[in-house]
Amino acid sequence: DQQVKQNSPSLSVQEGRISILNCDYTNSMFDYFLWYKKYPAEGPTFLISISSIKDKNEDGRFTVFLNKSAKHLSLHIVPSQPGDSAVYFCAASAYGGSQGNLIFGKGTKLSVKP
Amino acid sequence: DVKVTQSSRYLVKRTGEKVFLECVQDMDHENMFWYRQDPGLGLRLIYFSYDVKMKEKGDIPEGYSVSREKKERFSLILESASTNQTSMYLCASTDNTRYEAFFGQGTRLTVV
Repeated sequence: DQQVKQNSPSLSVQEGRISILNCDYTNSMFDYFLWYKKYPAEGPTFLISISSIKDKNEDGRFTVFLNKSAKHLSLHIVPSQPGDSAVYFCAASAYGGSQGNLIFGKGTKLSVKP
Repeated sequence: DVKVTQSSRYLVKRTGEKVFLECVQDMDHENMFWYRQDPGLGLRLIYFSYDVKMKEKGDIPEGYSVSREKKERFSLILESASTNQTSMYLCASTDNTRYEAFFGQGTRLTVV
């Protein structure tokens, strides 16, 4: 049973607009959430994270929002750029679990069109 | 910068062969992981290790084994490769002070 769900396999956005990638989770023990970006034939790279004690974390063009009551988080990219085209994975970790033992969603492929 | 290096970018092996995938990290991380990535399935954890000579099964350990004789090196072994093990294999590491795992560049394994 999937504990981390990314229900949109793909998303297409125009350059300069906002990209919103969504992620839902089922395990209330998750206390830390991360977003990774992956280009083809490369390993995932860490993008941004958020602790469960916060509801927002911002880093440049990237902002992650967490709604604990809805067990939902989202990644906002503003403005979107063609170089942002990649697969984005949402991941979660639970306190007490081995650090870095992350549960990943299936990913959302973002295409940013010039 | 943390560097996680996987020994091969691309491998082609025959069914039934024993396959070794090697991973080395240079940041003295305690924890190392092997994932596989398949289209539509995301990243799935095969095995992880939180110390030398220690190993724990992940979600899909069947058909795989691992070895961690030194802290910096974590090997994934396919005892008898099968075509359903064709995949992208990703190694990752992290220490005990953070959640963010650092990934290698991946090994695209094709079993024919």
